[in-house]
Amino acid sequence: DAKTTQPNSMESNEEEPVHLPCNHSTISGTDYIHWYRQLPSQGPEYVIHGLTSNVNNRMASLAIAEDRKSSTLILHRATLRDAAVYYCILRDVDSGGSNYKLTFGKGTLLTVNP
Amino acid sequence: EAQVTQNPRYLITVTGKKLTVTCSQNMNHEYMSWYRQDPGLGLRQIYYSMNVEVTDKGDVPEGYKVSRKEKRNFPLILESPSPNQTSLYFCASRRLAGGGEQFFGPGTRLTVL
Repeated sequence: DAKTTQPNSMESNEEEPVHLPCNHSTISGTDYIHWYRQLPSQGPEYVIHGLTSNVNNRMASLAIAEDRKSSTLILHRATLRDAAVYYCILRDVDSGGSNYKLTFGKGTLLTVNP
Repeated sequence: EAQVTQNPRYLITVTGKKLTVTCSQNMNHEYMSWYRQDPGLGLRQIYYSMNVEVTDKGDVPEGYKVSRKEKRNFPLILESPSPNQTSLYFCASRRLAGGGEQFFGPGTRLTVL
């Protein structure tokens, strides 16, 4: 799977929007962009994923650059509960026939200030 | 509620004493997987299973066994645990078709003395 680069940490204030960036300059045409997060003392939790178009769900929005070499996870109004490590992961849709392994990097530690 | 459960959540044991960590999911998922998480190394896959009676090695399978006799259960077996298997373990599942969402269990913190 192609490599992703994320900032080690980011800080936000409660009820403000948060934009978490991810660079993936070597992304292939069949790589989906996945975001997971891991709250303290919990297992990873799915946030959102997309291929080319921007995506929205109840948790967040995913903005994908036109050339797909970068993406941004957007939390519209951060809460204290959003403090977590956020992982940007690429998965090749063509590898779905074998192993659905997720390759987690170091992620971005998001701190939310009250 | 759709979920992946693991037991036990915490376990302290001694070298060489066989143990099993159970994983169960109630979503009828075909795919299940085990990861271990260590500081500085992130999550690494141990074993995975595409369906009942179909299992395969992940990136760090040494010292572990798994079985998949039923669709909902995927136990992780440590026949002779060693201190280097002290770690935080996560079970995950997903359906084979469509989407991308994997569901993770709450984790099992294992200490081998």
